[in-house]
Amino acid sequence: DAGITQSPRHKVTETGTPVTLRCHQTENHRYMYWYRQDPGHGLRLIHYSYGVKDTDKGEVSDGYSVSRSKTEDFLLTLESATSSQTSVYFCAISEPAGQGVSYEQYFGPGTRLTVT
Amino acid sequence: DAKTTQPTSMDCAEGRAANLPCNHSTISGNEYVYWYRQIHSQGPQYIIHGLKNNETNEMASLIITEDRKSSTLILPHATLRDTAVYYCIVRGSISSGSARQLTFGSGTQLTVLP
Repeated sequence: DAGITQSPRHKVTETGTPVTLRCHQTENHRYMYWYRQDPGHGLRLIHYSYGVKDTDKGEVSDGYSVSRSKTEDFLLTLESATSSQTSVYFCAISEPAGQGVSYEQYFGPGTRLTVT
Repeated sequence: DAKTTQPTSMDCAEGRAANLPCNHSTISGNEYVYWYRQIHSQGPQYIIHGLKNNETNEMASLIITEDRKSSTLILPHATLRDTAVYYCIVRGSISSGSARQLTFGSGTQLTVLP
């Protein structure tokens, strides 16, 4: 793994409670992403960040918010968890190689969240 | 991003080459072909990417057809640890609006048999 950690790795919570997942990187990459992975849906982008305090919505952003106050940390918050948010959450990072040049993403180990 | 089509599953004998095909017939000129894999319960792992020319790195080779409508990922000597789901993804460069998102499809489950 390219210096990416996620915490917690496993969490069980009750419906209606707030939950915050943390992604921490030591690579100083500019872009960070949150994905969720569910059976039958593959990975889907929730939110991403292209710099400190700069974030944008992905494909499945409803019910989630994010914050990025430092380059190395990207937080994903479920304000009021629902059972439909039971999933495996992956953080990813990337660094643009230059205008017009694409780049790869590196993924963390994942957080398994269960909402009961 | 262009849509990709991959076989659902493939088997390969250990030590043999694994050839994983991907169809991306609607790919546009500035879109790259990426391959990732995901070993069970782990985060996806970047393998290789290319635009027009064939590419090779320490993990695999990527063969892109001249018309760029399909590609093949080659694992030259598959091992049991290569058993994973392999994703073929097409995505534009930074200058395009879709640059920052990776769209994962269903991928190909490769099983390397002893």
